[in-house]
Amino acid sequence: EAGVAQSPRYKIIEKRQSVAFWCNPISGHATLYWYQQILGQGPKLLIQFQNNGVVDDSQLPKDRFSAERLKGVDSTLKIQPAKLEDSAVYLCASSADRGIGGELFFGEGSRLTVL
Amino acid sequence: AQSVTQLGSHVSVSEGALVLLRCNYSSSVPPYLFWYVQYPNQGLQLLLKYTTGATLVKGINGFEAEFKKSETSFHLTKPSAHMSDAAEYFCAVSGLLTGGGNKLTFGTGTQLKVEL
Repeated sequence: EAGVAQSPRYKIIEKRQSVAFWCNPISGHATLYWYQQILGQGPKLLIQFQNNGVVDDSQLPKDRFSAERLKGVDSTLKIQPAKLEDSAVYLCASSADRGIGGELFFGEGSRLTVL
Repeated sequence: AQSVTQLGSHVSVSEGALVLLRCNYSSSVPPYLFWYVQYPNQGLQLLLKYTTGATLVKGINGFEAEFKKSETSFHLTKPSAHMSDAAEYFCAVSGLLTGGGNKLTFGTGTQLKVEL
């Protein structure tokens, strides 16, 4: 079974530039998450999708971050314009079970460096 | 609101020694608790989880954790450390989002170093 795929693995941009990350979840997983992991901190949930609908985006900085999951499968997270503090690893995860005991399966992450 | 505190951002043990990684949680409802492991340049992988039932939970790679409600703890242990256990370990608590669905709140992580 293929895992969660993310690209690109690494990205370096200058502040005020834009960047996009792509995620393809495990086949059949209806729930998709984007987490931000800043160095030295635990992952923080940015947004959760159930199929192509948003369940929670309360911690997404909507003035610069956007995310979509148009067909309920793969997803794109965009940052525009980027700030220095956006340097982090962006983790995508998927789950077959939206219940609170469900296991999340994580991709390897996309590491963003903003100069 | 739910939160997790991991005591010790770095833990170092000798190969063959006991591993003990500490996690305390705060939750207004019965918690679901998780331990995830992250190897360098990889995503997080589930080690074990507590939902309901038996308070001693066994996971992969010889790890186990015990849910102690009276102490609000969910410490991770392994009797004998192996070099391959060197990684970062995250404790997490699960709660319902306002709109339904599962929200995992992670601790800040503990980096485990295993020395010869």
